[in-house]
This record gives sequence, structure tokens and C-alpha cells, in this order.
Amino acid sequence: DGGITQSPKYLFRKEGQNVTLSCEQNLNHDAMYWYRQDPGQGLRLIYYSQIVNDFQKGDIAEGYSVSREKKESFPLTVTSAQKNPTAFYLCASGISTYNEQFFGPGTRLTVL
Amino acid sequence: RKEVEQDPGPFNVPEGATVAFNCTYSNSASQSFFWYRQDCRKEPKLLMSVYSSGNEDGRFTAQLNRASQYISLLIRDSKLSDSATYLCVVNNNAGGTSYGKLTFGQGTILTVHP
Repeated sequence: DGGITQSPKYLFRKEGQNVTLSCEQNLNHDAMYWYRQDPGQGLRLIYYSQIVNDFQKGDIAEGYSVSREKKESFPLTVTSAQKNPTAFYLCASGISTYNEQFFGPGTRLTVL
Repeated sequence: RKEVEQDPGPFNVPEGATVAFNCTYSNSASQSFFWYRQDCRKEPKLLMSVYSSGNEDGRFTAQLNRASQYISLLIRDSKLSDSATYLCVVNNNAGGTSYGKLTFGQGTILTVHP
């Protein structure tokens, strides 16, 4: 089955620890994205990548880092510098950055 | 002014009703438009793209008015399963680069009751 997978579904971490969220797609999409969603709020763009080995900061990149070494994979690291990391993190992909995006099931991160 | 603005609702309608959502966008150079739906605690899912001529998919009709910079979504014969948050999404050129960037509205909450 083609699609986007994110793991884990739920993640708990202690304050001050870095954590990496996984995102994999087998749709052969060039573009990939990371968003964050807080309760009752809309999606905010963290980072996006138009193509392998390239990525750009979104609107709220501070405290996050990404890599795009493979077309299929776009992992997001939430660093200890992120002040309010508890949120619902959504990964998406698309044929290009001008096309519709398809989302993975998301990871709920709770920092204790 | 927000880049993409929606009435947050909530819209509370009976089964069988017709309901319409509007969305305005600020960038006149916006190039593509979409409606997504998001169920509680789930990921957004593409409902339909919005084309200049307007388009229909079953009970759903999307319209685009470029002159007034608004997008609409009409749902006819509402079902209980239509209860969700509806997100208006606009694609803009990102800061003058060749990259596009989707901007999501805050969403409109719809509840369809028996």
C-alpha cells in the first residue's frame, strides 16, 4: 500500500531531551513537510523540503531540525531548545510544493 | 490580515441541511486552492481541489472567486458523518522563490445532528 507513515503514534519525553520523529513515504513524492498543531488551533509549518538534500525553514522552525538524505524520509528532531514541544506533529508529502499534500497519521508528543 | 481566514463556527445543522463555508485569502497571486477535512485527533484529509470554474463532487461543491479572493464549500444533504473541521488551504509562492507553500486556515467546525 502506498502512503505516509509516522512513528511512533504517541511519544513521551522528559524535558531537556532531544527526540526524533520519523516520517516515511513510498509515494515517490519530491516535497515533504512538517507541521505542528496545538489544541484548537490550525496547522503551522515547521520545515519543508522541495527535493532531496534541500530543506527550508517554515514559520516556526526555532528549536527544530530536519534532514532529507533520502527521498522517502524526512525525520524531524525536536531539540531541548524548543520551549513548548508538546503538540500533535504531522508530516505530509506532495508531488511538488505547488500540489496538494497528503498527511501521515501524526505523532502526539508529550514532554513531561 | 491573516493570509487565510475562515469563520471558525461552530456550525450546528440537522441532517439533510445544506451548509456553506466561506474562506478569504490575502495574496492575490495565490495559485491553487483546496479544502481538507479533519476529524477529531486525526490527520487532515484532502476533500477536494478548487478550480477556477468551480467543481462538484457528489454532495460537495467548491467555488473560487479570484476577484474577491474567496473560496466557498457547499455541502448538500448533510450526513452525520460530515461532522468534522473543514480547512481552507491556499498555495502561495514562498517569499519570491520557486517554491510553493500551503497556508492553512484555522478551520470551520461542523456538527451535523439527527
